[in-house]
Amino acid sequence: DARVTQTPRHKVTEMGQEVTMRCQPILGHNTVFWYRQTMMQGLELLAYFRNRAPLDDSGMPKDRFSAEMPDATLATLKIQPSEPRDSAVYFCASGLTTSGGWETQYFGPGTRLLVL
Amino acid sequence: AQSVTQPDIHITVSEGASLELRCNYSYGATPYLFWYVQSPGQGLQLLLKYFSGDTLVQGIKGFEAEFKRSQSSFNLRKPSVHWSDAAEYFCAVGAAAGNKLTFGGGTRVLVKP
Repeated sequence: DARVTQTPRHKVTEMGQEVTMRCQPILGHNTVFWYRQTMMQGLELLAYFRNRAPLDDSGMPKDRFSAEMPDATLATLKIQPSEPRDSAVYFCASGLTTSGGWETQYFGPGTRLLVL
Repeated sequence: AQSVTQPDIHITVSEGASLELRCNYSYGATPYLFWYVQSPGQGLQLLLKYFSGDTLVQGIKGFEAEFKRSQSSFNLRKPSVHWSDAAEYFCAVGAAAGNKLTFGGGTRVLVKP
């Protein structure tokens, strides 16, 4: 049963520290999405990649957030420096995009981040 | 830009009773529509999706949804709920361009014994 995996599942850190979240998409999937979920804003798309190339990161605060795909099996989301308002659950999702088609997104279990 | 509204923030239903969750979307073209379920502390699981064709879509766990273009709605239904259906349910709409999903605010379902 193929799944998206995310590490760490929980992270508590202090304001100003760097946070790195990792995602392993389902093998063979070529699109990776990063979402953030908060009580106030709900689910927001931060960024997404296709074939490892960033397609849209307009939802991501540029000054402190960065997203990369070092290879096809790893996506990272980094916050530096972290702030209390970054406390949220961060979800990674992956999908397979074919020409002219829409991919179904499969979500990982999320990383619950608390910035003190 | 597309948007999704889930008018009910909370719904309480008795076990064995029927359930209907409302979803209204705004999108200029034919939308791609999804329902996801999130159990406490878990990620989102796809229940069903509508891309085209038959407007009544069957999903997992006994759920179904009906696409009504005239009402811009994609309501989710289940004839008889089980205690394990207690969760939060999200409706989402996708645009063909960019394949980005926009989620509604979610409906939290509580199931009474």
